[in-house]
Amino acid sequence: DAKTTQPNSMESNEEEPVHLPCNHSTISGTDYIHWYRQLPSQGPEYVIHGLTSNVNNRMASLAIAEDRKSSTLILHRATLRDAAVYYCILSVSAGGTSYGKLTFGQGTILTVHP
Amino acid sequence: DTGVSQNPRHKITKRGQNVTFRCDPISEHNRLYWYRQTLGQGPEFLTYFQNEAQLEKSRLLSDRFSAERPKGSFSTLEIQRTEQGDSAMYLCASSSTSGASYEQYFGPGTRLTVT
Repeated sequence: DAKTTQPNSMESNEEEPVHLPCNHSTISGTDYIHWYRQLPSQGPEYVIHGLTSNVNNRMASLAIAEDRKSSTLILHRATLRDAAVYYCILSVSAGGTSYGKLTFGQGTILTVHP
Repeated sequence: DTGVSQNPRHKITKRGQNVTFRCDPISEHNRLYWYRQTLGQGPEFLTYFQNEAQLEKSRLLSDRFSAERPKGSFSTLEIQRTEQGDSAMYLCASSSTSGASYEQYFGPGTRLTVT
């Protein structure tokens, strides 16, 4: 599996934007970029995913570099409820729908200050 | 639908005992995954099913671990002769291969403590 590299931790203030980086220099053409987050004492939660183009949903935006070797998860206005571990994961599409296993790294611990 | 459920939420057992966990996925989901998570680490893939077929099993998974999904609905994960190193959070997730559903939905996990 292609690997991802994320900072161990980041901090933000409430209501400010947060940019969480992820490096994936060995990404292949069929790898999708997924982001999940895990709040304390809960299972992981899907945030967003993309292949080549930037993506937006109600939770976040995903900016993908033109060479696809890096991406950035953008939380537009951080809230205290966004404090979590954020995982950047590469996964191969299985026929364009769902995927098999997710290979999690250690993720980035996001702390949000009031 | 209340999402993925797992039982029990907590299990304390003595080394050498067998334990079994249950996962009930979201009802229309045909894929079911098991992961294990130790403190400070990200979840580690164990195995996954599509309907009742076990499609992939981690090479790291000991022979003491076995998972079943007999009717393509709920799944059980059994650990035989537990060891202290098995202490972890065991997470279940489910997803659908129909439509354009990319998400895996995770349950709250079963925390196993082996004493």
